[in-house]
Amino acid sequence: DVKVTQSSRYLVKRTGEKVFLECVQDMDHENMFWYRQDPGLGLRLIYFSYDVKMKEKGDIPEGYSVSREKKERFSLILESASTNQTSMYLCASSLFSGAGELFFGEGSRLTVL
Amino acid sequence: GESVGLHLPTLSVQEGDNSIINCAYSNSASDYFIWYKQESGKGPQFIIDIRSNMDKRQGQRVTVLLNKTVKHLSLQIAATQPGDSAVYFCAVHNSNSGYALNFGKGTSLLVTP
Repeated sequence: DVKVTQSSRYLVKRTGEKVFLECVQDMDHENMFWYRQDPGLGLRLIYFSYDVKMKEKGDIPEGYSVSREKKERFSLILESASTNQTSMYLCASSLFSGAGELFFGEGSRLTVL
Repeated sequence: GESVGLHLPTLSVQEGDNSIINCAYSNSASDYFIWYKQESGKGPQFIIDIRSNMDKRQGQRVTVLLNKTVKHLSLQIAATQPGDSAVYFCAVHNSNSGYALNFGKGTSLLVTP
């Protein structure tokens, strides 16, 4: 089975702190994604990566950056956390480009005070 | 772009009844459709998918129907069980969205005894 592991299930950070959310997948997938999930808004794409060191902006990239130094690892970075970034963050990976199943991690719930 | 919406944010059904969850999409170029189930505190899990060259696909207790004429997608769950209580998302891919899936906002299914 594909496993997507997010390193932190729950984090509490203060405004202005730098935050790293780590994600690792074990199925040699080319594509990895970061979504945020908020009540009433569903899942919104922040960034995705289709290859090592490659990244593409999603729908809401402002305030975020990403890093993909190795194929299995995709990190989401909040350079200076703000309260409106309090959310559930979901990492996903996929074998196919676009028209294929996404495999999700369990999520990281971030609270910014 | 793609707009993906669900007709009802919540749905309550009795155990043993059949459930139908609906989803509408806007882009006639959409070519791949997928349903996810998300239980409380967990990441979304794949249920079933369908490509645009089909109009029906069946899994174990689940059926997905695709009506491209009216751009409508439905998930039918037979003999709904308490373990089916979750939030259900449809996700849609079209050729313009590249690598990404566009998600609906979710329908919360509550199964009552």
